Amino acid sequence: NAGVTQTPKFRILKIGQSMTLQCAQDMNHNYMYWYRQDPGMGLKLIYYSVGAGITDKGEVPNGYNVSRSTTEDFPLRLELAAPSQTSVYFCATSGQGYNSPLHFGNGTRLTVT
Amino acid sequence: RKEVEQDPGPFNVPEGATVAFNCTYSNSASQSFFWYRQDCRKEPKLLMSVYSSGNEDGRFTAQLNRASQYISLLIRDSKLSDSATYLCAVTGGFKTIFGAGTRLFVKA
Repeated sequence: NAGVTQTPKFRILKIGQSMTLQCAQDMNHNYMYWYRQDPGMGLKLIYYSVGAGITDKGEVPNGYNVSRSTTEDFPLRLELAAPSQTSVYFCATSGQGYNSPLHFGNGTRLTVT
Repeated sequence: RKEVEQDPGPFNVPEGATVAFNCTYSNSASQSFFWYRQDCRKEPKLLMSVYSSGNEDGRFTAQLNRASQYISLLIRDSKLSDSATYLCAVTGGFKTIFGAGTRLFVKA
């Protein structure tokens, strides 16, 4: 049982490039989330989804896009990467929304230079 | 004001010490509360949920005070392996908001 799988683990982008961070889960959870964590800081919510076809903005959505075409996958798209997007990105799921704790993937370390 | 605020760290304590972390939240409509542990360069992992009646899991005790809008985590008999960052998390609606985390160093 893989849980929450994020790919890639590491990536270096040049300013202005685009990329998609992948997140896949096999727990059949409806709720999925993308967070970013800057060094020495807590996690900031970028986007979340309560089910296939439904997404909504979190605290820091600017510069990102998401889609949720299936229950299993919740990719995060970075368009026109900027140095301010250098961070560790975590995908998370929960089974029943606000009553349930989050299960995190291993994270993607992104550097934009 | 930040939605979720935690004690600034780091906390440096000797083995066997008791240490307490506090966390305040601003949204009175918040519904669920959690403590997560995060090791260096790893993902956060659930330590424990926090209930209004308070709850205990071995050496760890969590408390919730809804009137004052804070949660706490008490670690008794600290172990070297407790060294980590402790994140409080507050859920309202479908969103979970995290505090910045408090680093704990337990030394021999």
